[in-house]
Amino acid sequence: NAGVIQTPRHKVTGKGQEATLWCEPISGHSAVFWYRQTIVQGLEFLTYFRNQAPIDDSGMPKERFSAQMPNQSHSTLKIQSTQPQDSAVYLCASSLEIWSNTGQLYFGEGSKLTVL
Amino acid sequence: GDSVTQTEGLVTLTEGLPVMLNCTYQSTYSPFLFWYVQHLNEAPKLLLKSFTDNKRPEHQGFHATLHKSSSSFHLQKSSAQLSDSALYYCALSPGTGGYKVVFGSGTRLLVSP
Repeated sequence: NAGVIQTPRHKVTGKGQEATLWCEPISGHSAVFWYRQTIVQGLEFLTYFRNQAPIDDSGMPKERFSAQMPNQSHSTLKIQSTQPQDSAVYLCASSLEIWSNTGQLYFGEGSKLTVL
Repeated sequence: GDSVTQTEGLVTLTEGLPVMLNCTYQSTYSPFLFWYVQHLNEAPKLLLKSFTDNKRPEHQGFHATLHKSSSSFHLQKSSAQLSDSALYYCALSPGTGGYKVVFGSGTRLLVSP
């Protein structure tokens, strides 16, 4: 297994531009999570898919953030009209959702977004 | 809702001294608790996971005991090594009721010679 793959690893955008981040989960994993990591806030939950269906997006800023999982092999996180406060590392994780494995996440290396 | 509290943002230690990182939680259910470790420029990865049968998980010299009475899952190690320097996150999964994993704010451990 190649692990969770995230692209791009680094992205720099100007204020007001759009940013799209991609995640390829581990094959066979049924759950995909997106987190935002900053020094101040730590790991903030954004959203979560199970078998491609959105389950919980309670952490997503409603107006400019959106996430999709069009097929089992990739998920995208889109940020419209990026703002400097969106600068962070965005981490994607996948999980094999069986009882004995509950909560064991496999993280990608993250996409570092810098908004100038 | 579910939450995890890590009170120390930074812990600095001399090599060879014991390590204890604090973690308390709030959850409606009987959650699973975890410790994840993130070394510099790497992805977070699982270090320990609580068991349902009260066994004490151990890995790489680290251990943690789930105390339901005090809602705690502190991480301990008897002797710190330089290679233990990293960011440590405590996390919970509700188990019954969902698989969303909630993380604490993290504790950075710096071990010096």
